[in-house]
Order: sequence, then C-alpha cells, then structure tokens
Amino acid sequence: GQNIDQPTEMTATEGAIVQINCTYQTSGFNGLFWYQQHAGEAPTFLSYNVLDGLEEKGRFSSFLSRSKGYSYLLLKELQMKDSASYLCAALDSNYQLIWGAGTKLIIKP
Amino acid sequence: TAGITQAPTSQILAAGRSMTLRCTQDMRHNAMYWYRQDLGLGLRLIHYSNTAGTTGKGEVPDGYSVSRANTDDFPLTLASAVPSQTSVYFCASSDGTSGYNEQFFGPGTRLTVL
Repeated sequence: GQNIDQPTEMTATEGAIVQINCTYQTSGFNGLFWYQQHAGEAPTFLSYNVLDGLEEKGRFSSFLSRSKGYSYLLLKELQMKDSASYLCAALDSNYQLIWGAGTKLIIKP
Repeated sequence: TAGITQAPTSQILAAGRSMTLRCTQDMRHNAMYWYRQDLGLGLRLIHYSNTAGTTGKGEVPDGYSVSRANTDDFPLTLASAVPSQTSVYFCASSDGTSGYNEQFFGPGTRLTVL
C-alpha cells in the first residue's frame, strides 16, 4: 500500500533550526511536496522536489533522496509564526497526491 | 483577487439530510479537488475534476457526488449525511492537471453531522 510517515509533533526554540522528516512508499513517484497549515486555516504550498538534493528558499529548505524514499524540511531562524503543521505529500504514478498526517511544530520562546 | 472561496464556513447537519458545499475559484484553473481532513489523518481526496465537464473519484468517494458545469465552480453534495462525514472539507485548485503544480486551497468548511 501507499504510505507517508512523518512525526506527529515536534518542539523547537525560537531562533533555532528544526528538521522535519518524511518517508514515503508509493506506487511510482513523481515528486514530493511540503505544505504549511496554521491551525484553523488552509494548507499553503512551501516546496516541490522531484530530483535528489537540497532546494533552498529563504529560511526554508527541502531535501529529497529518491533512493531512500526520504525527504526533510529544514526551517532556520525559527520564528513564533512558524508554529504550524507541516504536511508532506508524495505524487504517485497516477499523479495523485498521497498526504501524510502532518507534523505539528510548536515553537517556544 | 479572491482566489478560491468556500461556503458555508461551518454547518451542523442532521443525519439523513442532504447538503451541498460550494466552491468557486477565479484563477481559471483547470483542475479542482475536494478533500476531507480528519484529526490524525492526512488529507484524503474525495473527488477531482481535471477540466470542466469531467470528474473522477478519489480515495474516499462513497456518499459524495460532484459536478463541474463550468471552470469556476465545483460543488460537493452529500445526498444523505451520516455522522462519519463529520470533518473539515477543503476545496483546492491547480493550474494544470499533471499533479506537478501546487494546489491552492480554500478556507475550508467545517461540517458536523449529528
């Protein structure tokens, strides 16, 4: 079956760095998305990786290893507004998104 | 630009009643999607539409129906609601149908079926 695994919850300190991991098992693979979702709001797009390696976008970076079925989202210089859930989603061979349950990130001052 | 809107924001519905959740986008996106989001579970695709006039079933389509009469609107209908359909429903759209494009989400409809 198809499956996305990511930690349920993480805690980090304001100003620090945090890495949120995601492993995926899908029938075929056409890329990996990360979305941010603040409590009570809609998900918003953060990144898309289809090739191995690290893609940096300001304070956020996303990494992909296709051979390991693994991705991570790296958040630097954490701010209180980064408190949110981070959703990992893999695009399968039918071009359907398979979503993880999300990682709730709690930022402490 | 409004982007993508949903109505109502929230609703309490008696079991057995029918209801239509509305979704409208003004971005002229070809693809539209309906998801439900439940605590502890990932977003689950209910139905999708790659272009006006066509629809397809997602992972959890039972009990739901959709139509796509035009590009902008993609209503989701529950014919006879059951308590297990209590959830937050998100409508989304994307420019292109390949799946590579980011999806833009509406603000959601919180539905409680009693």
